[in-house]
Amino acid sequence: RKEVEQDPGPFNVPEGATVAFNCTYSNSASQSFFWYRQDCRKEPKLLMSVYSSGNEDGRFTAQLNRASQYISLLIRDSKLSDSATYLCVVNRGSTLGRLYFGRGTQLTVWP
Amino acid sequence: NAGVMQNPRHLVRRRGQEARLRCSPMKGHSHVYWYRQLPEEGLKFMVYLQKENIIDESGMPKERFSAEFPKEGPSILRIQQVVRGDSAAYFCASSPGLAGDTLRRNEQFFGPGTRLTVL
Repeated sequence: RKEVEQDPGPFNVPEGATVAFNCTYSNSASQSFFWYRQDCRKEPKLLMSVYSSGNEDGRFTAQLNRASQYISLLIRDSKLSDSATYLCVVNRGSTLGRLYFGRGTQLTVWP
Repeated sequence: NAGVMQNPRHLVRRRGQEARLRCSPMKGHSHVYWYRQLPEEGLKFMVYLQKENIIDESGMPKERFSAEFPKEGPSILRIQQVVRGDSAAYFCASSPGLAGDTLRRNEQFFGPGTRLTVL
């Protein structure tokens, strides 16, 4: 079983739409959770860390459900510039060390 | 504050040659990670280093690949006798490690990557 599983999409939404991505992780000992975005042929960029209580950053809201080992990302009022691949990322156990990346969910926002 | 630096950005090698990839972490970061991304695939962890120490190399192929992070200078990922299957994007990331606050110390910031093409 993969460490991190995501729906690969693609998701195609109009500007202004709300879109949600989901992700599950297999190791209950995982301690740190992140969403990264990756534009085509570029490096992953940290979008937000995901905290146990959930957190919001502008139009982006992340939620964590440890019991179900499930992470979500909600994007409100989608912009054209949100088009990218969104990567669900977790570590395992210790607070430092390797990260496990999902394959990513591709989002295209159209005008 | 400069981000993670990697060079070269693009590297072309013929089969059997050596490839050396360099990474300078963000200022104040003491932990370096190397990841590989094959075409149409996700990022895969290779190795985790601190200054003069390899902490976790469980993702490194057993042969031809090595990494170091010397006391002075950048981290180096070295691939000897490259083969076509080594063609990929190699990303370096850094984190503040224990120097960061509890919630953020494992946030990893990525460099622009080195795209290796083996002919």
